[in-house]
Amino acid sequence: DTAVSQTPKYLVTQMGNDKSIKCEQNLGHDTMYWYKQDSKKFLKIMFSYNNKELIINETVPNRFSPKSPDKAHLNLHINSLELGDSAVYFCASSRPSGSQETQYFGPGTRLLVL
Amino acid sequence: KNEVEQSPQNLTAQEGEFITINCSYSVGISALHWLQQHPGGGIVSLFMLSSGKKKHGRLIATINIQEKHSSLHITASHPRDSAVYICAATSQGAQKLVFGQGTRLTINP
Repeated sequence: DTAVSQTPKYLVTQMGNDKSIKCEQNLGHDTMYWYKQDSKKFLKIMFSYNNKELIINETVPNRFSPKSPDKAHLNLHINSLELGDSAVYFCASSRPSGSQETQYFGPGTRLLVL
Repeated sequence: KNEVEQSPQNLTAQEGEFITINCSYSVGISALHWLQQHPGGGIVSLFMLSSGKKKHGRLIATINIQEKHSSLHITASHPRDSAVYICAATSQGAQKLVFGQGTRLTINP
C-alpha cells in the first residue's frame, strides 16, 4: 500500500529512444509533481498538475511531455532521449494549495541514457 | 546564486553530537520544508513550517521569517540519521518548491 509509486525504478536506454515513467498516488491528492535530481543531487521542479490540469511548466525541453489521465496518475514521456537526461526523476503529490501542504515523494526512477 | 542556500554542504560528526544544519532563502516564502533523502534514494518530508518551531522526536526545525533563515537540529545524533537533508522553500503565490543543494550528514559510531 505504497502512497506514491513509480515505475520503473531503473531505466537504461540508448540515446534517441522514447521512454515513459509512470506515477500513481493513492492518497486522494489533487496535485502531483515531477522533479529531476541531477548528478550533484540537486532537485528541481519540472511540472505540476492540479486535478489533471497543468499549473507549473518550468523551463523543460518540449521532448518532455507530462500526461495526467486522472488525478491519481501523472506520467512523464520523454522523446529522443539525450545523455543529459540521465538523472533520477521523482514524482510527488500533495493536497491542493500545495505551497502549504506536505509533499509525498515516490521512490524515484533512475534513468541512464547511454 | 540559488534562492535557497544551505550550510554546511557536508557534515561529519560522532554519535551523540548535537547537529545543526542551516538554510537561508532570498525570496518571500509561504512555507519552508525540510526533507530527508536516505542513502537508498527515497525522500521523506520531515517538517513544513511557516513560523516558529516544530519538534518531532529528536528533530527540531526553527524558522526566523524576518531573517529569512531556518535551522534543522538533531539531538543525540545516531548513525541512522546519516542522510542528505534538503531545505526547500515555496515562494509566496507559487505552488512549487525551490530546493537548496542539500547537506550530506554522516554520523560515525
